[in-house]
Amino acid sequence: SQQGEEDPQALSIQEGENATMNCSYKTSINNLQWYRQNSGRGLVHLILIRSNEREKHSGRLRVTLDTSKKSSSLLITASRAADTASYFCATDTNDYKLSFGAGTTVTVRA
Amino acid sequence: ETGVTQSPTHLIKTRGQQVTLRCSSQSGHNTVSWYQQALGQGPQFIFQYYREEENGRGNFPPRFSGLQFPNYSSELNVNALELDDSALYLCASSLEREQFFGPGTRLTVL
Repeated sequence: SQQGEEDPQALSIQEGENATMNCSYKTSINNLQWYRQNSGRGLVHLILIRSNEREKHSGRLRVTLDTSKKSSSLLITASRAADTASYFCATDTNDYKLSFGAGTTVTVRA
Repeated sequence: ETGVTQSPTHLIKTRGQQVTLRCSSQSGHNTVSWYQQALGQGPQFIFQYYREEENGRGNFPPRFSGLQFPNYSSELNVNALELDDSALYLCASSLEREQFFGPGTRLTVL
């Protein structure tokens, strides 16, 4: 079974708008990582947030982590057409493997 | 670009055949993980190699096997291919917690 579950499954926004997607997980984690995937190709690492961190920023990305609710969110600000992709959260427990959700598909309309 | 390369890019096999997929890890990374991603789903962990030893395995049958070489490159072997093995196979290399993925190999089993 998958550890992380993203919500919503799909998101369509206008260029310039913000996109927010959420990830819930079931067990304690070491860290949580967000990835982007374009057109079924390789995964691009976006950001890693450790279990003792609450918020992290990278460029237009903002990630929050609430370990008490076992949830995380990814915010993409001022979206661009190039942000059109699938986004996955992946949880890292102490066994080094990553457990992925099914992803959120984001479409940015021009 | 992550520096992780995979070959071949695409592969078509028939049921019952055997396949070998290859992965070159990012320079300095001593850990390689393999994932299977079926269409429309998130990646599923197959196994991980650390310094040439299997370091963990997901819920995949023994006909999925692997190797890691002294230069930390890796192979994934799948015997007795089944139709459900059709998927994108991703390898990821890591030194610590962040995993960096290659572009994947698309395997089609007919």
